Amino acid sequence: DADVTQTPRNRITKTGKRIMLECSQTKGHDRMYWYRQDPGLGLQLIYYSFDVKDINKGEISDGYSVSRQAQAKFSLSLESAIPNQTALYFCATSDPGTSGSTDTQYFGPGTRLTVL
Amino acid sequence: GNSVTQMEGPVTLSEEAFLTINCTYTATGYPSLFWYVQYPGEGLQLLLKATKADDKGSNKGFEATYRKETTSFHLEKGSVQVSDSAVYFCALTTLRGGYQKVTFGIGTKLQVIP
Repeated sequence: DADVTQTPRNRITKTGKRIMLECSQTKGHDRMYWYRQDPGLGLQLIYYSFDVKDINKGEISDGYSVSRQAQAKFSLSLESAIPNQTALYFCATSDPGTSGSTDTQYFGPGTRLTVL
Repeated sequence: GNSVTQMEGPVTLSEEAFLTINCTYTATGYPSLFWYVQYPGEGLQLLLKATKADDKGSNKGFEATYRKETTSFHLEKGSVQVSDSAVYFCALTTLRGGYQKVTFGIGTKLQVIP
């Protein structure tokens, strides 16, 4: 079974709708992240969470919100979806380990979101 | 701020050809450097990493050496296979206020033809 799962894998919605993307992990990591991927832009960080009580904005948080329901679950919401939020969304986890900045990220399979 | 520069591609090679994907970076402090690979329809997965200058990361025949003097971390493989077709992302992490900030390049698409 996959360590990081995302639901749904594909979603088509209309402008103005509220939608939620869900992420679950079985790796036991405290740190979780939401990214969006757009062609030619690589990955951009939306939100990150160090633990259940610690949630932080990333580079492009406007129009998004998150909820960390448990160590294993981190959800991303689009309160009122717009077409330029059409993208591939990835959840990731990491474990800082015991030394420096060697924080390998473990990614889910992605959710392809289309906003019409 | 931190940045990672790599060509978008696509890079098209014949099977068994030599591969180089260039990656250069700018960063404050002492970054760790990574290559991630994204196969079609999947999320990114770690390919290799290096945590300090002159370290060489290697995995599945791929190699990259952390060159601080040229701020580079070029990915190489001596003989590519069709199964290596994927998008390759160079990335770095630095510590900032206790948070390990991750910066990704735009990704380079590799197509290997038989």
